[in-house]
Amino acid sequence: SQKIEQNSEALNIQEGKTATLTCNYTNYSPAYLQWYRQDPGRGPVFLLLIRENEKEKRKERLKVTFDTTLKQSLFHITASQPADSATYLCALRGYSTLTFGKGTMLLVSP
Amino acid sequence: SQTIHQWPATLVQPVGSPLSLECTVEGTSNPNLYWYRQAAGRGLQLLFYSVGIGQISSEVPQNLSASRPQDRQFILSSKKLLLSDSGFYLCAWSATGRSYEQYFGPGTRLTVT
Repeated sequence: SQKIEQNSEALNIQEGKTATLTCNYTNYSPAYLQWYRQDPGRGPVFLLLIRENEKEKRKERLKVTFDTTLKQSLFHITASQPADSATYLCALRGYSTLTFGKGTMLLVSP
Repeated sequence: SQTIHQWPATLVQPVGSPLSLECTVEGTSNPNLYWYRQAAGRGLQLLFYSVGIGQISSEVPQNLSASRPQDRQFILSSKKLLLSDSGFYLCAWSATGRSYEQYFGPGTRLTVT
């Protein structure tokens, strides 16, 4: 069956460091992968989309890599700030719609 | 610009009571519309999606139903709520013909007592 795995343990880092979150998947051949941010009690917010033919994509302090051989995407936040604290979800398109991972909580301490 | 509205923001309902949650989108035409549920500590579960008026696809069998009476209106309903229906309900939209990025509403926190 198709599965998306994100680290269920929260990632704690210090302000200014680079946060790296992982998304692994099985039994998908996705044309693209997406990352979302979700704050407590709010809906997810779209951040980045990376296509299968793109190895890396950047947006301001965010960087996403996509390795279709390893079936893995890495999401990096450089120069992290306490305001980056949130849960980050990856999403892949299944047969007809997006399927979301359960997300990884990032906590950035001052 | 596009905006998505959901209401109510919070709801407490007794077991066996009916439910109606509404979602509307502004600033776009013929969007794909989605209903998700997020239970505490769990991921987003897709409940229903719609690619047009009156077209509803259900992802999981359940106590809920959805309707799309107008192009930019999506309604989630139940005739009799169960305790297991408690959760955070999210409506989302994406552009026509694409399943690319989705844009979510603020959500409704439903507690069934």
